[in-house]
Amino acid sequence: AQSVAQPEDQVKVAEGNPLTVKCTYSVSGNPYLFWYVQYPNRGLQFLLKYITGDNLVKGSYGFEAEFNKSQTSFHLKKPSALVSDSALYFCAVRVLLTGGGNKLTFGTGTQLKVEL
Amino acid sequence: GAVVSQHPSRVICKSGTSVKIECRSLDFQATTMFWYRQFPKQSLMLMATSNEGSKATYEQGVEKDKFLINHASLTLSTLTVTSAHPEDSSFYICSARGISYNSPLHFGNGTRLTVT
Repeated sequence: AQSVAQPEDQVKVAEGNPLTVKCTYSVSGNPYLFWYVQYPNRGLQFLLKYITGDNLVKGSYGFEAEFNKSQTSFHLKKPSALVSDSALYFCAVRVLLTGGGNKLTFGTGTQLKVEL
Repeated sequence: GAVVSQHPSRVICKSGTSVKIECRSLDFQATTMFWYRQFPKQSLMLMATSNEGSKATYEQGVEKDKFLINHASLTLSTLTVTSAHPEDSSFYICSARGISYNSPLHFGNGTRLTVT
């Protein structure tokens, strides 16, 4: 089955330090991978996606993610964290459905806390 | 950017009553809409996929008679929780995708349902 795993429930970093939120995938074929962010009591906001091309994908709010095929990883990164980046982050993979169409399967989420 | 409006943002209802949640795509035509349920500090659980003009496809374990989904137009899908019980209390999130197969998902801001 196509899936993603987020091994960390929570990540804490100091403001100004680089941050990494980890995601690994298990996919047959070429993966379509996504990162979303969720603020309290809100829906999800799209950050970035990898479909093909450059392994380093740049997204919204200064975030980027690196696709690593050998390690089956798609870690989310930001060079300098802000307190306002504190939120719940979800990695997701697009799953093709029999009969056509597709859906997103989400990881369990990682709570990022950026402290002063 | 594309906007998905979900209404209401918060609803409290009595046990045994029904609640309808609306999901509208405001500036694009959404051929496919997804309904998710999120428990506290947990990931999103896909409940069903709805395509405009056809019956929704429910995920395993989701009662289709309890969670009625209607997607009668390209801009509106509704989720009705029928005969609600306290265990139905949750955060429900819709997302919508445009006509293109590779269109990104856009999420509503969610509905916090509390059944008393």
